[in-house]
Amino acid sequence: KNEVEQSPQNLTAQEGEFITINCSYSVGISALHWLQQHPGGGIVSLFMLSSGKKKHGRLIATINIQEKHSSLHITASHPRDSAVYICAVGSSGNQFYFGTGTSLTVIP
Amino acid sequence: DARVTQTPRHKVTEMGQEVTMRCQPILGHNTVFWYRQTMMQGLELLAYFRNRAPLDDSGMPKDRFSAEMPDATLATLKIQPSEPRDSAVYFCASGLMLATDTQYFGPGTRLTVL
Repeated sequence: KNEVEQSPQNLTAQEGEFITINCSYSVGISALHWLQQHPGGGIVSLFMLSSGKKKHGRLIATINIQEKHSSLHITASHPRDSAVYICAVGSSGNQFYFGTGTSLTVIP
Repeated sequence: DARVTQTPRHKVTEMGQEVTMRCQPILGHNTVFWYRQTMMQGLELLAYFRNRAPLDDSGMPKDRFSAEMPDATLATLKIQPSEPRDSAVYFCASGLMLATDTQYFGPGTRLTVL
């Protein structure tokens, strides 16, 4: 069993739709990271959170420590949001575990 | 605009050759990570350093891979001898803390071993 599970694996949405990507983990964590990887391959760190909720523009990330679950939401999705979104957790033992990623395509 | 730089961006080599990948972390960052990404395995952490000292390299095949930080501005990842299964994109990232800080990723080195 993977320490980090993401769903869905693939997601296609119409421009303007509200999008949710889920991440569940099984280890004790110090922090959870959401990464974005564009088709060109570059990786950008979107959020690092250990509790509650963070918002940046149209992106919102939440985490529920008790349920070991995090969600990444995109409001008013746009074709430029098309990318692979990766959930990663830094464990209490300073190990890192990665989800397999969610490939998002937003259609105009 | 501080950023992590990696060289080379692309490398094609033949099986058995030595490969050296370099990373310049963001000035002031004391933690450096090496990752490998393949279609099959996704992102994997190979090794990380704090204050130039290797903290964990359990993700690295020890017999052929080695990672070093000769100084605070340079991290290297070497593969000797390289094998076709090493073909991947290798990312370097830097930050200020291990698990609890934002990591800043370099553009990656795309390695192809023929």
